[in-house]
Order: sequence, then structure tokens, then C-alpha cells
Amino acid sequence: DGGITQSPKYLFRKEGQNVTLSCEQNLNHDAMYWYRQDPGQGLRLIYYSQIVNDFQKGDIAEGYSVSREKKESFPLTVTSAQKNPTAFYLCASSIGGDRANTEAFFGQGTRLTVV
Amino acid sequence: EDQVTQSPEALRLQEGESSSLNCSYTVSGLRGLFWYRQDPGKGPEFLFTLYSAGEEKEKERLKATLTKKESFLHITAPKPEDSATYLCAVQAPGYSTLTFGKGTMLLVSP
Repeated sequence: DGGITQSPKYLFRKEGQNVTLSCEQNLNHDAMYWYRQDPGQGLRLIYYSQIVNDFQKGDIAEGYSVSREKKESFPLTVTSAQKNPTAFYLCASSIGGDRANTEAFFGQGTRLTVV
Repeated sequence: EDQVTQSPEALRLQEGESSSLNCSYTVSGLRGLFWYRQDPGKGPEFLFTLYSAGEEKEKERLKATLTKKESFLHITAPKPEDSATYLCAVQAPGYSTLTFGKGTMLLVSP
């Protein structure tokens, strides 16, 4: 089945630790995205990548880092510099570019909690 | 700056009671407007894309419409399984990223 796989589903982080969230897609999509969702807030864009080996900051990139070494993978690292990391993290992908059918498809999310 | 406002924040309906959700948007040009459904603890599920004013799309009990300033998601004779948060998002020309509203939480009681 084609889709987007996020892992783990639940993640606990101690103060001062870096953690990495995994996102893999087998849809052959060029573009991938990371969003953060907090209660009562809409999805906010952290980072996005239009093509392999290239990525751009979104609206709330501080305290996060990404890499895009393979088309299928777009891992997100939550660093110790992120002061309030507890949230629901969503990875998405889309065909990208100027083509039609530009809808994004989402994974099932990773819930990160600081303990 | 692109902005998306959804109303109401929450809506409670009886089974069979039709209603509409609103999505007002401000964007410099519109490449596409998207509706998603999100169940608790899950990722958003794509429903519709609308590209131009006057366009309509339907799926089962859901119908999405678009004007130059807003979109409506009409729910006809809802069932309890339609209970979810419905998200609206816009995409500006030249960008593939989406700007989301905060969503409308719909609860349909039997």
C-alpha cells in the first residue's frame, strides 16, 4: 500500500535531549513537509523540502532541524533548543511543483512529550 | 500573509440534522483550497480540492463549495461516524505549502 509512515507513534524526551522523528513515503512524491499541531491551534509549518538535498524553513523552524538525503525520507530532529516541544507532529507529502493535484497526504503523526 | 478562519469552532448536531461549516480566507491569489477530516490522534485525511470560484465537489454526505472569499462544507443528514475535526487550508500560487485554519470540531449525536 502506498502511503506515509511516521515512527514512533509516541515519543518521550527528557529535558536537554535531541530526538529524531522518522517520516518515510512510498508515493514517489517530490515534496515533503513537517507540521506541528497544538490543542486549539491549526497546523503550523516547521520545514519543507521540494526536492532531494534541499529544504526551507517554515513559520516555526527554531529549535528544529531536517535532512533530505533520499526522496523517500524526511526526518525531523527536535533539538534541546526547542523550548516547548510537547506537541503532535505530522509529516506530509505532495507531488510538488506547478503540477495539478497539489493536495498533501499525511502520516498518522508522532506525539512527543517532554518528561 | 495568508490567513484562514474557520467557524464555528465546534458544532453539535443531531443525527440527520444538516448544517454547514465555513472557511474564510485571505490569500494573494488562490492556487487551491483544501478540506481535510481529522479523527482524534490521527493524521488529517484528504477530502476535497477546490480551485476556482463556483466550483463544487461532493463525497457521500459532504459537499464543498467555493467563492472568492470563502468555502463551505455542507453536511447533509449527518451520521455519528461523521464526527471529527474538519480542517480547511489554502495554497498560494508558486507555493506547495498549505496554510491551515484551526478547524471545526463536529459532534453528531445519535
